[in-house]
Amino acid sequence: DTAVSQTPKYLVTQMGNDKSIKCEQNLGHDTMYWYKQDSKKFLKIMFSYNNKELIINETVPNRFSPKSPDKAHLNLHINSLELGDSAVYFCASSQEAFPSGGNTGELFFGEGSRLTVL
Amino acid sequence: AQKVTQAQTEISVVEKEDVTLDCVYETRDTTYYLFWYKQPPSGELVFLIRRNSFDEQNEISGRYSWNFQKSTSSFNFTITASQVVDSAVYFCALSEAYGDSWGKLQFGAGTQVVVTP
Repeated sequence: DTAVSQTPKYLVTQMGNDKSIKCEQNLGHDTMYWYKQDSKKFLKIMFSYNNKELIINETVPNRFSPKSPDKAHLNLHINSLELGDSAVYFCASSQEAFPSGGNTGELFFGEGSRLTVL
Repeated sequence: AQKVTQAQTEISVVEKEDVTLDCVYETRDTTYYLFWYKQPPSGELVFLIRRNSFDEQNEISGRYSWNFQKSTSSFNFTITASQVVDSAVYFCALSEAYGDSWGKLQFGAGTQVVVTP
């Protein structure tokens, strides 16, 4: 079983459309994240949720709306897609919002969802 | 503000050569965490190591080793006897250690390692 799974893996769409990327983790983690990797491979955090509650929102345009129906899922909905939204979006999860004890603090990343806006 | 610099954009080596990837960071925090991730051509991000700011002990894991030097704010990564499967982009990252900022990894720009047979 894949620990952090994202769907779809590839998404090609037209400017102005609305699209969603889904993420599910089966690790029992409390915290989930969305990261964006641009065409130059630069990775930047967008959002994080802990137990369905938004913790980090990194000045992302409000066309991007994360939704966490439960702590195992964190979906990303994007309205009015623009050319600059083309990127690879990574979902990730970690055991807790702060590392302790034997927790390595590792973020487990999904395989990424490549979004292409035409 | 935090910042992670990986000055080497690409390193090309021949198999069995050693390769060292540099990572220099900036932070005002006294407690922080440093990471290395590997991104092979298939695209996934693979965790390699996490180090906290109070543990300057160097670490070795198989052919991988890490040299953490707080005095120079560096966390360098060496692959010994490189193999073709080591070809990937390697990212260094920094995270604040308190509360809700955990998981907010500040990534470097990455270093592409190309290992040829």
